[in-house]
Amino acid sequence: EAGVVQSPRYKIIEKKQPVAFWCNPISGHNTLYWYRQNLGQGPELLIRYENEEAVDDSQLPKDRFSAERLKGVDSTLKIQPAELGDSAVYLCASSLGLLATTGELFFGEGSRLTVL
Amino acid sequence: AQSVAQPEDQVNVAEGNPLTVKCTYSVSGNPYLFWYVQYPNRGLQFLLKYITGDNLVKGSYGFEAEFNKSQTSFHLKKPSALVSDSALYFCAVRDMRDTDKLIFGTGTRLQVFP
Repeated sequence: EAGVVQSPRYKIIEKKQPVAFWCNPISGHNTLYWYRQNLGQGPELLIRYENEEAVDDSQLPKDRFSAERLKGVDSTLKIQPAELGDSAVYLCASSLGLLATTGELFFGEGSRLTVL
Repeated sequence: AQSVAQPEDQVNVAEGNPLTVKCTYSVSGNPYLFWYVQYPNRGLQFLLKYITGDNLVKGSYGFEAEFNKSQTSFHLKKPSALVSDSALYFCAVRDMRDTDKLIFGTGTRLQVFP
């Protein structure tokens, strides 16, 4: 079974440039998460989707960040324009059901962003 | 506020010795607790979880964790460490306000020396 696939793995851009990350979750997983992991920190949730609906985007900086999950499968996270503080690893995860039931998130390998 | 704390940035242990990675939590109500591991340049992988039942939870790769309600702890343990266990370990708790959200600790780097 294929895992969560993310691309690109690495991205280096100059500040004020746009960047986009793509995620393909495990087949059949309805819930999709985007987390941000700063250096030396644990992952922090940016946005969570149930199918194509964003059910929790309270931590997403909406002035520059946007996300979409068309057709309830793949998802894209965009930053425009990027700032120096956006340098981090962006992790995508998916789950089959509620954490209370399955208790497990499946993570991709992450997209490491460096903003110069 | 709900949170987990991992008091040690790094734990060093010799191969073959027992290891413990510490985690304490602060939540209202009954916690759902998790351990994840992150190998270099890889995504996080689920190790084990505590939701209810037996306080000693067994997980992947020979790891186990003990839930202690009185000490609000959920320490990760392994009887005999392997060099290949060297990685970054994260404790997490389910957000009681949002049952489908995990709050992660800052992580503990485990270094197992030959």
